[in-house]
Amino acid sequence: ETGVTQTPRHLVMGMTNKKSLKCEQHLGHNAMYWYKQSAKKPLELMFVYNFKEQTENNSVPSRFSPECPNSSHLFLHLHTLQPEDSALYLCASSQKTGSGETQYFGPGTRLLVL
Amino acid sequence: AQKITQTQPGMFVQEKEAVTLDCTYDTSDPSYGLFWYKQPSSGEMIFLIYQGSYDQQNATEGRYSLNFQKARKSANLVISASQLGDSAMYFCAMREVYSSASKIIFGSGTRLSIRP
Repeated sequence: ETGVTQTPRHLVMGMTNKKSLKCEQHLGHNAMYWYKQSAKKPLELMFVYNFKEQTENNSVPSRFSPECPNSSHLFLHLHTLQPEDSALYLCASSQKTGSGETQYFGPGTRLLVL
Repeated sequence: AQKITQTQPGMFVQEKEAVTLDCTYDTSDPSYGLFWYKQPSSGEMIFLIYQGSYDQQNATEGRYSLNFQKARKSANLVISASQLGDSAMYFCAMREVYSSASKIIFGSGTRLSIRP
C-alpha cells in the first residue's frame, strides 16, 4: 500500500448506529487530519493530530470522536449521527515543515446517514 | 471574510487547448504557501502544485504551471494541452505560516470539463 488509504470507501448508517472510519498513511508523516466535504461547500477541517496529539478541534460536535493511536493511523468514531452529517470524509497527512508543507489526501469515505 | 476566492464555478474547454483557472487570496501574513489540488469524481484530492510567497519564479510541474502575481494576490493555475482526464474539480488553497501552521484554507472550487 502506498500513500494514504481509507476504509470503508462507502458507508450507509442509521442515526442510532455506531461506526468507525479508518485512515492509514504510508508516507512516514507526523501529522494527520480529518476533513468533511459536503455538497456545494468548501472543504472543512475537523481535527488535526501532530505526533499523535490532537492540536486542533474545529468546533466539531461530540458525535464525532477522533482517535490517533500512532502517527500512521487515524480513526473517526461515529455515533448518533444526523442526516446532515452525510458527506465525503477525507483523511490527509503531512510532514511538518512550514509554509511549504503539503497535505496528501486519501480517497475518502462517502457517508450516508439515513 | 473569504480568504480564497475562485470565481469560476464551472468551465468548458476543448481538448488540447490551454486553460487558466482563477484564484485570488487575501492575507496579511508575509509568509504563506499556495496550493492547487485536483478532485476527480472518485473523490480523492490530488496535490498538483505548490508556490511559496517568497519564491521568485512561478512553479511548474509538467503540464501545470502557477501564474503567481503577488501584488494582485492571485495564483492562477494554467493547464497546457488539456486532456479528457483533466475533467475534475480544482481547488486552490493557502497556508499562512503565522496562523495555525496546520490549517490550509480551501476555495470553493472550479469544475473543469474537457470536451473531446
